[in-house]
Amino acid sequence: IAGITQAPTSQILAAGRRMTLRCTQDMRHNAMYWYRQDLGLGLRLIHYSNTAGTTGKGEVPDGYSVSRANTDDFPLTLASAVPSQTSVYFCASSQTSGSSDTQYFGPGTRLTVL
Amino acid sequence: GESVGLHLPTLSVQEGDNSIINCAYSNSASDYFIWYKQESGKGPQFIIDIRSNMDKRQGQRVTVLLNKTVKHLSLQIAATQPGDSAVYFCAETPWANQAGTALIFGKGTTLSVSS
Repeated sequence: IAGITQAPTSQILAAGRRMTLRCTQDMRHNAMYWYRQDLGLGLRLIHYSNTAGTTGKGEVPDGYSVSRANTDDFPLTLASAVPSQTSVYFCASSQTSGSSDTQYFGPGTRLTVL
Repeated sequence: GESVGLHLPTLSVQEGDNSIINCAYSNSASDYFIWYKQESGKGPQFIIDIRSNMDKRQGQRVTVLLNKTVKHLSLQIAATQPGDSAVYFCAETPWANQAGTALIFGKGTTLSVSS
C-alpha cells in the first residue's frame, strides 16, 4: 500500500503557465486536502474535498482550483502561475469517522515559479 | 482569533534525554489535537493525537498532555534519539468528525538531538 502519492516531486515553472499537481491515495479515505507550506507560515489549507464530487475552499484558495471526480484522485491546478505560488505543496487525506480525523500526508511537491 | 503556536522555535537535547515540546492554543472549542513530525524533504507524519475529553495519552516513547484550563498541549519524547531530529507541529481542529475541517497548524519546533 503506497498511501498518498504526489507528482511531480518538484517543478520549475514560468510565470503565467498552467500547472496541475497530482495526488492519489489508495486508502479509500473520503476526505482529501491540499496545503501549502511556506517558511515561517506553517501549513495552510488551500482546498479540500469531503467526498467525491464535492470541494470546498480553505484559507488560501485564490489562484488554485481542484476537482474530485473519484475517491482516489484530487488534482490541484494553478491556472496561471505567479511567483507567490512558489511553495511546497502537500496533499493529505483522512477517513472522518467517530473515532479519528487524522490526516495523512503525501511526500510533497516543491514548486518554483519564476 | 484562534491560533495554534509553539513556545520555542528550536530545542536542542542530548541523546537519551527526555524532550518536551510545547504548544498553546486559543480556541476553547478545540476538540481534537494532533502532533506531527516532519523530517527534511518529507511530508508531516502522524505521531499521536488526543481528544478534548482526555488529559493524557501515551504511545511508544511519546506522551501527549492536554491542559484545557490553560489551553496548553505538550509532546514528551522519552529517551530522545538522533532519529527524532525533525520539526514537530501541533495541529488542532475545533470541530470533531466533520469532513473537510482544516487542521490549524502551529509553526513548528525544530528538535535537534546530538549524540
